[in-house]
Amino acid sequence: EPEVTQTPSHQVTQMGQEVILRCVPISNHLYFYWYRQILGQKVEFLVSFYNNEISEKSEIFDDQFSVERPDGSNFTLKIRSTKLEDSAMYFCASSEVSGPGGYTFGSGTRLTVV
Amino acid sequence: RKEVEQDPGPFNVPEGATVAFNCTYSNSASQSFFWYRQDCRKEPKLLMSVYSSGNEDGRFTAQLNRASQYISLLIRDSKLSDSATYLCVVMDSSYKLIFGSGTRLLVRP
Repeated sequence: EPEVTQTPSHQVTQMGQEVILRCVPISNHLYFYWYRQILGQKVEFLVSFYNNEISEKSEIFDDQFSVERPDGSNFTLKIRSTKLEDSAMYFCASSEVSGPGGYTFGSGTRLTVV
Repeated sequence: RKEVEQDPGPFNVPEGATVAFNCTYSNSASQSFFWYRQDCRKEPKLLMSVYSSGNEDGRFTAQLNRASQYISLLIRDSKLSDSATYLCVVMDSSYKLIFGSGTRLLVRP
């Protein structure tokens, strides 16, 4: 069964450092997403991406965050200057079409900012 | 009011029990509805979509009441492996998923 692959599975970084979280969506999928889940809290939408541009972003997705699809297969989330409160699980997801169903989530990257 | 609201539980039930979870959502323009399952520190996994007519998948039955903005999940004959957090999820008009905080289920031997 096709998978969304995320690397690394766990990243520890110092406050103020830049991090890049990587995702390889399912190959024929066109819509890409990042969600995050702070420990003990709900899963929250960060950003959606289609046709090489951001479709929608949440209030969380401020100027410190950016996304890119640099080479047609990877989909990355960059946090420019990490804060302690950025510590969370970050889930990438992709879907073939917009609309109901068809979302596949990756296994996540656990980001710990110290 | 929270966009998607669930009882956090935990629901602690014996194997073989029937357990029901409820969820309410605030946005009447919501497009689609789902139950996801999440194991500790893992990604959410789709359990089933929820339709107004109600739908069943083995031991799992889901119901949607659009008028009341209410979604339910019934699990019959609970197994130890059903222990997890069950997430009520709503898709909004821009096709992003809005998650509830989840209901934790513990099935004991």
